Amino acid sequence: SSELTQDPAVSVALGQTVRITCQGDSLRSYYASWYQQKPGQAPVLVIYGKNNRPSGIPDRFSGSSSGNTASLTITGAQAEDEADYYCNSRDSSGVVFGGGTKLTVL
Amino acid sequence: QVQLQESGPGLVKPSQTLSLTCTVSGGSISSGSYYWSWIRQPAGKGLEWIGRIYTSGSTNYNPSLKSRVTISVDTSKNQFSLKLSSVTAADTAVYYCAREYFDWLGGMDVWGQGTTVTVSS
Repeated sequence: SSELTQDPAVSVALGQTVRITCQGDSLRSYYASWYQQKPGQAPVLVIYGKNNRPSGIPDRFSGSSSGNTASLTITGAQAEDEADYYCNSRDSSGVVFGGGTKLTVL
Repeated sequence: QVQLQESGPGLVKPSQTLSLTCTVSGGSISSGSYYWSWIRQPAGKGLEWIGRIYTSGSTNYNPSLKSRVTISVDTSKNQFSLKLSSVTAADTAVYYCAREYFDWLGGMDVWGQGTTVTVSS
């Protein structure tokens, strides 16, 4: 099965813009989805498809993709955005998750 | 709105079979618009996809777990289930069930709260 690679940790100053990336061969064929997970909670879908936000997700979250890399961008990061972020995509076996990125808002 | 709830034993002995059920409320599991998935997360680690089932009964499994995993669906009870055989301490994790869009967009839009399973004698 394929793999998705994420940076383990990223930080951003309050109100600034941050990009979290996800790399893998499956992203050349399938869209990435992005999930936010806060301690002790289940993951929450924040981006799916080309750049779709589920109802209730702030518009400061956006997604993009190029080649084998997908990105989640948070424009104007808020304190409540501090969390772990995971990407996933489909692959030949079904689904694969990235290892996750811990986002710290300074 | 649709809600998912995992249930099952919180403690399983090594070499035995872990069995969990996910109950779907607020919607029908027979909707052709979704896959129904299991994901797990060991303490302090990332998410690992275990497998999924479609309403037809068609399944896909993580190759690393395929030999030990069975996912089934009971449409009459609006439930789907996970069985993981020959468990070891490495299978200790929070287990989540989730709903995944069936179409090309993908994405798991509804998750259960998760249930902790510990493998220990």
